[in-house]
Amino acid sequence: GNSVTQMEGPVTLSEEAFLTINCTYTATGYPSLFWYVQYPGEGLQLLLKATKADDKGSNKGFEATYRKETTSFHLEKGSVQVSDSAVYFCALRRRDNKFYFGSGTKLNVKP
Amino acid sequence: NAGVTQTPKFQVLKTGQSMTLQCAQDMNHNSMYWYRQDPGMGLRLIYYSASEGTTDKGEVPNGYNVSRLNKREFSLRLESAAPSQTSVYFCASSEPGMNTEAFFGQGTRLTVV
Repeated sequence: GNSVTQMEGPVTLSEEAFLTINCTYTATGYPSLFWYVQYPGEGLQLLLKATKADDKGSNKGFEATYRKETTSFHLEKGSVQVSDSAVYFCALRRRDNKFYFGSGTKLNVKP
Repeated sequence: NAGVTQTPKFQVLKTGQSMTLQCAQDMNHNSMYWYRQDPGMGLRLIYYSASEGTTDKGEVPNGYNVSRLNKREFSLRLESAAPSQTSVYFCASSEPGMNTEAFFGQGTRLTVV
């Protein structure tokens, strides 16, 4: 089947700390991979994406690399800010155009 | 730039009542989706529509029906609401193709008592 597994949260960090949120997937074929961010009371917004193996998506200091050999797409940021506090979702898109999401990881950044 | 618009934003229903959640997008996308979000479970696909007049079941379709009225609109209907349908519902749209992302509405918070 198709599924996305994310590390459980919440993750609590101090400002300027290094962030890693792990994401692994199972899928037939070669899906596209996405990270979305959700702020309180809002819908999901695209953070970054990668559409083939070894692609690196990046945006606002966040990065993730599509690793086919380990079926992973881990999200990283070198120095988090309080404004990065949100829920982060890893997702994949299959060839039939359906999107599947992980359970979400809540990030709390303390000043 | 409206994007994906959902109505209503909040709703409280009694068990057994029916209602329709509305969704419209102004990006001329072919694909539209309905998801539900529950704590610890992420987003689960309820129904998907590849184009006007076509719909396909997702992971959790039981208790729901959908209508793709035209290219812009995709509605979700609960015929007889149950407490297990208490959730936040999101509509999304996308262009076909592996490289494109989904765009989400602001969500509808539904409580069934």
